[in-house]
Amino acid sequence: AQKITQTQPGMFVQEKEAVTLDCTYDTSDPSYGLFWYKQPSSGEMIFLIYQGSYDQQNATEGRYSLNFQKARKSANLVISASQLGDSAMYFCAMREAASTGANSKLTFGKGITLSVRP
Amino acid sequence: ETGVTQSPTHLIKTRGQQVTLRCSSQSGHNTVSWYQQALGQGPQFIFQYYREEENGRGNFPPRFSGLQFPNYSSELNVNALELDDSALYLCASSPPMGGQKTQYFGPGTRLLVL
Repeated sequence: AQKITQTQPGMFVQEKEAVTLDCTYDTSDPSYGLFWYKQPSSGEMIFLIYQGSYDQQNATEGRYSLNFQKARKSANLVISASQLGDSAMYFCAMREAASTGANSKLTFGKGITLSVRP
Repeated sequence: ETGVTQSPTHLIKTRGQQVTLRCSSQSGHNTVSWYQQALGQGPQFIFQYYREEENGRGNFPPRFSGLQFPNYSSELNVNALELDDSALYLCASSPPMGGQKTQYFGPGTRLLVL
């Protein structure tokens, strides 16, 4: 079974509007971390936001917020006031408790393409 | 503060050859992870180095090997290259124990195997 599922093939949003990118995950570990990364066409993975499984509040970083619904195992990224520079691939990733400490691999989803229209 | 750097940016090799990719970690980061990203896919974990030793490995054959140096920089070596090794290779560094241990990625090396 996939550990990270991103099923939206591509998303379009009008500049200045908000957009939600979906991510569901699967783990039996009670302790885990969820990450969102942005990958422009240049290839570099840019860290956006982190949510820990025990965090009581949804994470926010500037225009990015994470809609964390633990019972549904979803961690959707919300981008407010979209900008043209937000056009990129977006990846959801998870680090499980079994890979804490020095061994902290990330498991990624397949990504979602976001296109911002002017 | 210098971010993660990788070299070279692009590389073309032929099947059967060997390749070495290099990564310099972000200042203060002692853990380096390597990922392979095939076209249209998410990155796949290859292995991680901590204190100059391999500390965790994904589902990759032994012809994928690596090193970490005392300054925490790292190399990824791939022997007997195959066409399917064509991909973007990403290096990521993370800080010492504690915190959320976010991995910060370099710009990647695009490898094409002909």
